[in-house]
Amino acid sequence: AQKVTQAQTEISVVEKEDVTLDCVYETRDTTYYLFWYKQPPSGELVFLIRRNSFDEQNEISGRYSWNFQKSTSSFNFTITASQVVDSAVYFCALSEAQVSGNEKLTFGTGTRLTIIP
Amino acid sequence: ETGVTQSPTHLIKTRGQQVTLRCSSQSGHNTVSWYQQALGQGPQFIFQYYREEENGRGNFPPRFSGLQFPNYSSELNVNALELDDSALYLCASSPTSGRARYNEQFFGPGTRLTVL
Repeated sequence: AQKVTQAQTEISVVEKEDVTLDCVYETRDTTYYLFWYKQPPSGELVFLIRRNSFDEQNEISGRYSWNFQKSTSSFNFTITASQVVDSAVYFCALSEAQVSGNEKLTFGTGTRLTIIP
Repeated sequence: ETGVTQSPTHLIKTRGQQVTLRCSSQSGHNTVSWYQQALGQGPQFIFQYYREEENGRGNFPPRFSGLQFPNYSSELNVNALELDDSALYLCASSPTSGRARYNEQFFGPGTRLTVL
């Protein structure tokens, strides 16, 4: 069975500080996808990144960066120079690769990030 | 291009009642998935519909059922509502070509259901 663990329930940092959100996953599949979503108070899930299990290169997109390490089954997310607009709940998710492409997402319990002005 | 829409936005029901939630998929998307997100939790997969057929189901009882229509919009029906059914219900649509190894899901804003 697949499982995603986000051990940090809530994090608060002062604006402009860097913050890392942790994600640890479990799967028996050799091919899978990992995701990060942002959920602002409005409730809609906003897609941030997708990574497949064969691509362990770290990725940077503006102030966001992701560190994927298969050896530790982790897919951590770092926000550099945080801003108040980054305040939200962040979810890490996992899906197995399906031939049809119709996958289901298994989500972690989320980390509530609060950026203090 | 219109995104995923859901209706209603909010809904209040009493225990034992039945509810129907609606989802319009993004243009060109033929697959719809439904998720339940209880307060303080991550979304949980309920089921998925592809070409009007159920295509995968999570660990939810049969009183959770769904439909997909020829225009790919979808309904989630919940019978005999229980207090624990109070949650945000999210719909996600995705295109499915059968050729891709992955088809990204686009989420709607959700319907917040409160059961009293």
